Amino acid sequence: DTEVTQTPKHLVMGMTNKKSLKCEQHMGHRAMYWYKQKAKKPPELMFVYSYEKLSINESVPSRFSPECPNSSLLNLHLHALQPEDSALYLCASSQVGQRKDTIYFGEGSWLTVV
Amino acid sequence: AQRVTQPEKLLSVFKGAPVELKCNYSYSGSPELFWYVQYSRQRLQLLLRHISRESIKGFTADLNKGETSFHLKKPFAQEEDSAMYYCALSGPGSQGNLIFGKGTKLSVKP
Repeated sequence: DTEVTQTPKHLVMGMTNKKSLKCEQHMGHRAMYWYKQKAKKPPELMFVYSYEKLSINESVPSRFSPECPNSSLLNLHLHALQPEDSALYLCASSQVGQRKDTIYFGEGSWLTVV
Repeated sequence: AQRVTQPEKLLSVFKGAPVELKCNYSYSGSPELFWYVQYSRQRLQLLLRHISRESIKGFTADLNKGETSFHLKKPFAQEEDSAMYYCALSGPGSQGNLIFGKGTKLSVKP
């Protein structure tokens, strides 16, 4: 299995809702990432987990809460989002999180906040 | 500051013509550079990494430290090469996070 799998593919949520995005990989990778991609823009890093510990938080608002339950799973909990948070959320993984590692991306979860 | 610049938002060529997608970077240490491609409705996937010096789908890229460039080239473009291409730099520290350029949309016309 050489894929990063994300669910759901599409999510519409209200500003008062609580929802979660899920990500799974079975490549034995120990680094996992959340990126945000707005339309016609490049991906921007949100969080990095290394060996199940949060190692980078790129000043992301607290309404986004990441969680890494084990080495294969990564969640992004969403609460009280704003319409400007509507975007494609990409999960990714790499072998150990070294600079030379190839980063593998999932297909993304399209989030619309209404 | 770390930065990746892709000067062309859109590059349009005819099938069989040579292609060069430009990428310049700014990085104080030893750079790790990648080209990622995103075909329509598909996931972002690695095309090339500078340390492997491979040729993938006929594309090559050479790191030029003097000019701080990592341009992507292909001698004869194919219609199936039409996609969004991102040049990316691995950020500082040991975390392997990527800093992307703004991307170049390549359109290959028949």
